[in-house]
Amino acid sequence: SAVISQKPSRDICQRGTSLTIQCQVDSQVTMMFWYRQQPGQSLTLIATANQGSEATYESGFVIDKFPISRPNLTFSTLTVSNMSPEDSSIYLCSARVGFEAFFGQGTRLTVV
Amino acid sequence: AQKITQTQPGMFVQEKEAVTLDCTYDTSDQSYGLFWYKQPSSGEMIFLIYQGSYDEQNATEGRYSLNFQKARKSANLVISASQLGDSAMYFCAMREGSGSARQLTFGSGTQLTVLP
Repeated sequence: SAVISQKPSRDICQRGTSLTIQCQVDSQVTMMFWYRQQPGQSLTLIATANQGSEATYESGFVIDKFPISRPNLTFSTLTVSNMSPEDSSIYLCSARVGFEAFFGQGTRLTVV
Repeated sequence: AQKITQTQPGMFVQEKEAVTLDCTYDTSDQSYGLFWYKQPSSGEMIFLIYQGSYDEQNATEGRYSLNFQKARKSANLVISASQLGDSAMYFCAMREGSGSARQLTFGSGTQLTVLP
């Protein structure tokens, strides 16, 4: 199994600012995944982060808006840039260990 | 086409009764995995149960069992002896293929409410 520590757990931010979300895994993992869950919706994949290379973004998500870092096999960050109220969501990081996919506790972001 | 379909936006069940949450999937891959997660109001995603496409037995984990009907492409979650703490959003998800780079695709979720 794996434990993923994600922080912050929640934040309220002013529009136009940026927030960086951190995820720390207690074991080395090849891939980490970042998801967005808009209010009342399901999870949508933002990007896949592989250590040592640029993240791969899904359609509708761009690096300028959601830059991702993956400096080593246990850590990743997602930045939500130039925020607007439409960015208010829960953001979750995930990693695969064996067949299971583990998730961080989520970051509940409110943009005002 | 939707890869994961959950047709029940909301379900109610009486405490101590069993409940079935529906999930159908669509894939052309022979190798895939099906997952169920519970998301309480706190927002965390709690892994419940996993079924591999090649598994011949239905998966079980305590009070959770997965009714896997491969020909019908369905993977329903059965919760036995419901408890008040089971009230949450439940998501069905699928991973296609077997590589580590494969992400999960989620259904729209079912909000389960357990009544006392």
